[in-house]
Amino acid sequence: AQSVAQPEDQVNVAEGNPLTVKCTYSVSGNPYLFWYVQYPNRGLQFLLKYITGDNLVKGSYGFEAEFNKSQTSFHLKKPSALVSDSALYFCAVNPGDDKIIFGKGTRLHILP
Amino acid sequence: DTGVSQNPRHKITKRGQNVTFRCDPISEHNRLYWYRQTLGQGPEFLTYFQNEAQLEKSRLLSDRFSAERPKGSFSTLEIQRTEQGDSAMYLCASSSTDRTGGRYEQYFGPGTRLTVT
Repeated sequence: AQSVAQPEDQVNVAEGNPLTVKCTYSVSGNPYLFWYVQYPNRGLQFLLKYITGDNLVKGSYGFEAEFNKSQTSFHLKKPSALVSDSALYFCAVNPGDDKIIFGKGTRLHILP
Repeated sequence: DTGVSQNPRHKITKRGQNVTFRCDPISEHNRLYWYRQTLGQGPEFLTYFQNEAQLEKSRLLSDRFSAERPKGSFSTLEIQRTEQGDSAMYLCASSSTDRTGGRYEQYFGPGTRLTVT
């Protein structure tokens, strides 16, 4: 079955430190990959996507993600975390049939 | 561009009642998606439309669920004979598309929280 895994329910990072939120997927073919963020009492917001080309994609708020085809991963990264980055992050995959698959989400806590 | 809107934001209903939710997508978007999200989970795909055509439905979408997008603009999701297991956040999203399919990001509404008592 096609799936998306976010192995960490929660990630804690000190402000100013680099952060990584992990995502791996299991789909056939060449999927489109996305990251979304959800702030409390707000809808999901698009951060970035990988369609094709350069494996490192840059997105909103200084976030970037690295696509690794051999490891079927699409980890979200940021060089220096801000307290305001604290939120719920979702990895999503379009396996080609447009029935988007979301991970369970990872709660990111940035500690001041 | 006022974003994706959903109404109502909250709905409390008794088991066995019918409910209907509305989604107004971003006007120039021809794709519209419905998802269900329960606590501690990511959104689960239910169905999507391209213009007025319903292209895909998840197996999660039982016969009690029906969705329409009659003029290719707003969409409604109806749940008949609600059950307690239907309690969830129902999310709507819209996006552009092209002949290559779903490479475009989705813009989500704030959701409708359904509580079935």
